[in-house]
Formats: sequence, C-alpha cells, structure tokens
Amino acid sequence: EPEVTQTPSHQVTQMGQEVILRCVPISNHLYFYWYRQILGQKVEFLVSFYNNEISEKSEIFDDQFSVERPDGSNFTLKIRSTKLEDSAMYFCASSAASLNSPLHFGNGTRLTVT
Amino acid sequence: GEDVEQSLFLSVREGDSSVINCTYTDSSSTYLYWYKQEPGAGLQLLTYIFSNMDMKQDQRLTVLLNKKDKHLSLRIADTQTGDSAIYFCAESPSNYQLIWGAGTKLIIKP
Repeated sequence: EPEVTQTPSHQVTQMGQEVILRCVPISNHLYFYWYRQILGQKVEFLVSFYNNEISEKSEIFDDQFSVERPDGSNFTLKIRSTKLEDSAMYFCASSAASLNSPLHFGNGTRLTVT
Repeated sequence: GEDVEQSLFLSVREGDSSVINCTYTDSSSTYLYWYKQEPGAGLQLLTYIFSNMDMKQDQRLTVLLNKKDKHLSLRIADTQTGDSAIYFCAESPSNYQLIWGAGTKLIIKP
C-alpha cells in the first residue's frame, strides 16, 4: 500500500539554526499538509498546500516557517531560525482530494532543538 | 472555537470489546476520523465516517456517530494486545485541516 515517507526520523539542531524536514507524499495525491505534536499535547495543524501554493495556515505557521514542493515528489517544511519551543514531532500528510479523501500521515520527524 | 474531547485512558481485558468515546463541537464537519498511533510510530488512519452516516463497520471496528449529541465512538471487538496504542479522534471543520482530540491510550490487561 502506498505510504507517506518522511526523513529524517530524528533531527537534532541548535537554537537559531535552519532545518528542513522532508516528505514524499503518496504519488497521486494533490493536497499536502504539515502537522506537529509537541510532547504531551494535541496534534496541531500547521499548513496545507495545493497547486503549488498555501491553501490554509494556522497561527503557529509564522514567518519562520515555509513550505515548498521543489520537484514532483518532495514536500518540505523549513524552519528558518529554530527556537526551543519548535521541538516537536512533525507529521506530513497527503490526501487525494480535500473533501472526499482522508489524510494519510507519515511516521513523523522528531525535531529536538537544543 | 472547535474542540474535540476524549478521555485519556481506557483499560480493557484481552478478548473484551473496547469502546473509545469522543465529543466534538463543529456540526459542519464533513468527515470524522479515528487514527491509531503506536509507540514511536506515525498516525495510522484506522477508519472514518461521513457525517450523514450513523454507523460504519469494518471487520473488528465499529464506528457510531450521533450527530445530535456530536458524539463519536470507536468499538474494537475482541481486543488484542496488538491493539495497544493511542487512538485519536479528529474532525474536519474546514476543507484543509483536522482538529484533533488529545488521544485515548488503550491499555490491554491479560
């Protein structure tokens, strides 16, 4: 069964550094998402992406965050200058169509900012 | 604003049925979802139900939806040790995002 893959599984970075989290969505999917889960807290929506542009973003997704689909397969989340509070599990998801198809998630990237 | 509530823990004996409950606030949600997260793993889609349905059954899983009370439940028949995980309920009030519950940790007693 096709799946969403994320790399790396664990990323450790120093405060102030830039990180790029990578995702390969399911190949025929059109909608892409990033969510995060801070330890012990609920899963939170960050951003959705369709047709090479952001469809919706949350208050968390400020100017430090950006997303890109640099080629036909990858979908990336960049954090420009990481803060301690960015430490979380970041999940990528994709869906074939936003209303009629469920979201399929990757295994996540655990980001630790020291 | 939108909110999804679940109890944090459920403990059942192996072989019994597990019923995980969830309440949500947004009546406009088109779909309601159940995801499973095993330790150290990602969010696995278990099942989902369209908002105009009352019930959906898929092998050992039964989802019941009470739209009037905004209550969703997931029943796992014949619970096995492999069902140990955190189960998340989520609603979709907009086209592009899910609102999640805090997750219910299912503990299986031998």
